[in-house]
Amino acid sequence: EGQLVESGGGLVKPGGSLRLSCVASGFNFNTAWMNWVRQTPGKGLEWVGQIKSEAHGGTSQFAAPVKDRFIISRDDSQNTVYLQMNSLIIEDTAIYYCNSNPLSAVDEWGPGTLVTVAS
Amino acid sequence: QSALTQPASVSASPGQSITISCTGTNSDIGTFKYVAWYQQHPGKAPKLIIYDVSGRPSGVSSRFSGSKSGNTASLTISGLQAEDEADYYCCSQSTSNTFYVLGTGTRVIVL
Repeated sequence: EGQLVESGGGLVKPGGSLRLSCVASGFNFNTAWMNWVRQTPGKGLEWVGQIKSEAHGGTSQFAAPVKDRFIISRDDSQNTVYLQMNSLIIEDTAIYYCNSNPLSAVDEWGPGTLVTVAS
Repeated sequence: QSALTQPASVSASPGQSITISCTGTNSDIGTFKYVAWYQQHPGKAPKLIIYDVSGRPSGVSSRFSGSKSGNTASLTISGLQAEDEADYYCCSQSTSNTFYVLGTGTRVIVL
């Protein structure tokens, strides 16, 4: 069974940057498409972005609210996916989850990491 | 990016059955078989309970079942138990600029 663990969350001022990491184990990370999904405390889930496997081009897509501010990358040698968040705004405050092989039978989620944007 | 529409809450007594609807468009649910459902207990990460409209991952109770008709997907929980009290989210692949669209979420309350 796969496992994901996020890290890198914390308190950051508006306009600042933060990089989240998600380390995977227990499955073939090289072939996995990876999502980042966020959840504002007490609210619903919101898809943030996704990176395909290198075999499928390794390209990324983003939701409109974060496009041009967030970057997703992956290091298959370290079984790690990253979410670089720039120009953060208060509305980016949320728990950020990484999610592997979305929509498949082996879809897994990490426990999440909290990002708080406040002055 | 518009979210898939779910009822805010559904409630029923133990042992009863409930069905949660998830309404999308021809750009997502109406086009793809890649529709999933997630269960989320308070303070926990979402957990996959249905994939490919009606598939059940290993270890998920057979009391959970999924279906789809046109632009609407549905999750049925039969023989409702106290442990089923949680938030439930649908999700679909999408042909829009985004790959992935999530539902608004439904809180299931076991009376």
